[in-house]
Amino acid sequence: DAKTTQPPSMDCAEGRAANLPCNHSTISGNEYVYWYRQIHSQGPQYIIHGLKNNETNEMASLIITEDRKSSTLILPHATLRDTAVYYCIVRGSGGYQKVTFGTGTKLQVIP
Amino acid sequence: ETGVTQTPRHLVMGMTNKKSLKCEQHLGHNAMYWYKQSAKKPLELMFVYNFKEQTENNSVPSRFSPECPNSSHLFLHLHTLQPEDSALYLCASSQLTGTGTLINEKLFFGSGTQLSVL
Repeated sequence: DAKTTQPPSMDCAEGRAANLPCNHSTISGNEYVYWYRQIHSQGPQYIIHGLKNNETNEMASLIITEDRKSSTLILPHATLRDTAVYYCIVRGSGGYQKVTFGTGTKLQVIP
Repeated sequence: ETGVTQTPRHLVMGMTNKKSLKCEQHLGHNAMYWYKQSAKKPLELMFVYNFKEQTENNSVPSRFSPECPNSSHLFLHLHTLQPEDSALYLCASSQLTGTGTLINEKLFFGSGTQLSVL
């Protein structure tokens, strides 16, 4: 699986959009970008994933650059409950794959 | 509620004890995973079961022994643990096709068992 790089921490004001970046410059053509988040002492929660096109669901939007070497997770209106560690993961779509979590970005939403 | 239930939520054990962690998934998935998360470290994959067969053992010491009696249940048997084994142990599940090709990439995690070894 391609390696990802994320900033260790970010702050965001409550009600504002939180934009979390991820670099995955060694991504290959069949590898998806996945985002999970982990609220303190709980299991990680799936947020969204994409291949080439931008994606949106009820939780967030995912913007992938045209060269696919980086992506941004957008939480449109951050709340205090969005305070968590956010993990960006790149993995292939075929066959069994290990899901390897890095250190992620600790997002602190400030009142 | 993720559909993956882990018990107990907290466990304190001595180094000579034997205990088991239990995981049950109600999602109809056929792959199950154990992850370990030590304080301030990334999640580490320990074991993977695919259609009840162990397909991954990530160099885990033998004092951790997994068991997967069916596709809905996963156990982690613990014996003669060390204090450095204290961590959050997380179970996850996903759906795989009959050929082993991933069709649903999402992992669903339980809330974990916080283990303290004294």
